[in-house]
Amino acid sequence: NAGVMQNPRHLVRRRGQEARLRCSPVKGHSHVYWYRQLPEEGLKFMVYLQKENIIDESGMPKERFSAEFPKEGPSILRIQQVVRGDSAAYFCASSPPPGQGFLHFGNGTRLTVT
Amino acid sequence: AQSVTQLDSQVPVFEEAPVELRCNYSSSVSVYLFWYVQYPNQGLQLLLKYLSGSTLVKGINGFEAEFNKSQTSFHLRKPSVHISDTAEYFCAGSMNTGFQKLVFGTGTRLLVSP
Repeated sequence: NAGVMQNPRHLVRRRGQEARLRCSPVKGHSHVYWYRQLPEEGLKFMVYLQKENIIDESGMPKERFSAEFPKEGPSILRIQQVVRGDSAAYFCASSPPPGQGFLHFGNGTRLTVT
Repeated sequence: AQSVTQLDSQVPVFEEAPVELRCNYSSSVSVYLFWYVQYPNQGLQLLLKYLSGSTLVKGINGFEAEFNKSQTSFHLRKPSVHISDTAEYFCAGSMNTGFQKLVFGTGTRLLVSP
């Protein structure tokens, strides 16, 4: 079984551009999570989604960041008008419905803003 | 609010020596605890977890951890490390019975040298 697939692995954007990060969950997992890892820090929760629903976005910055998990296709984390401070590793995780299993993490997308 | 503290940012150790990576949590309610390992440029892999029951939990790759409620600790141990154990280790906790929204420590880099 394929694990959580994230692409691209590395993404370079200039300040002001948009970044789109994709995440395909483990087959059969209906819940997706995005975490951000800033340099020298642990992972910080950003958002938790179910198909077509945002369940908890308490960790998302109020502006420029959005996430979706459509009925078909991967989950997308979108960062508009990127700034240098957005440079980080963004990890996606997926799980079965709550209480039925644990988070499986992808290999991450490393975003560099120049 | 729950928090997870990893006191050591880096732990150097010689091959075949024992190692302990420390983790303390603060939570006034029941907590579920996890240890993840991150190899360079890879995602997080679940090492072990404590949900309930026996306070000594065994994980993959010969690692184990002990849940100590009185000391609010969940230290990770291995009796004899290998070069291949060199990685970043993250302690994480969740108050949610569905195990979503993990709170991570800042990580401990284990450096195993010959």
